Amino acid sequence: DQQVKQNSPSLSVQEGRISILNCDYTNSMFDYFLWYKKYPAEGPTFLISISSIKDKNEDGRFTVFLNKSAKHLSLHIVPSQPGDSAVYFCAGTDSGGSNYKLTFGKGTLLTVNP
Amino acid sequence: DTAVSQTPKYLVTQMGNDKSIKCEQNLGHDTMYWYKQDSKKFLKIMFSYNNKELIINETVPNRFSPKSPDKAHLNLHINSLELGDSAVYFCASSKQGALGGYTFGSGTRLTVV
Repeated sequence: DQQVKQNSPSLSVQEGRISILNCDYTNSMFDYFLWYKKYPAEGPTFLISISSIKDKNEDGRFTVFLNKSAKHLSLHIVPSQPGDSAVYFCAGTDSGGSNYKLTFGKGTLLTVNP
Repeated sequence: DTAVSQTPKYLVTQMGNDKSIKCEQNLGHDTMYWYKQDSKKFLKIMFSYNNKELIINETVPNRFSPKSPDKAHLNLHINSLELGDSAVYFCASSKQGALGGYTFGSGTRLTVV
């Protein structure tokens, strides 16, 4: 029962171009979403989040877009840099319920080529 | 001065053994978690403790027993290890539940042979 789906296991992008990572969710109770970035042999690190009262949140080169009707969110990285190469996890939670639990997708491996 | 540290980083052990993984955070967070990343790469919650109190136990076999002696520590003890327990286990902590984002440890890769 995958409540958070990242259907692209990998993505390859040229340095300087835009990277778009996609995420779909099925749980209607989810109203808060987070993106994490993970390098090999390290734990995931928090990148950016968005509440369902917004449809966009921006932090430097990173922007997350949320389409509630489609239950879809995406992470845009512009411009992409080789140091962005990592696995990106999307996660959702129900902030009104037990907000101690994040449900993660399987991740997308982003490779940014110099 | 690592924020969330877990030991050991690697653990190779035989089936049937009992092992422990330790986790400590120095961030002053109230909530700590154990997540498991299996071979299919899903990160799934196992346990969550808030101020030493168990608040989430996500249908984990009772061979897994978390212990939180204080809010800075959350250890994971596993009895009678099975092949299917092989995974990477991540400890994490947060200040305000999930909304503030977790801080993860670097993971413990457990291999049961």
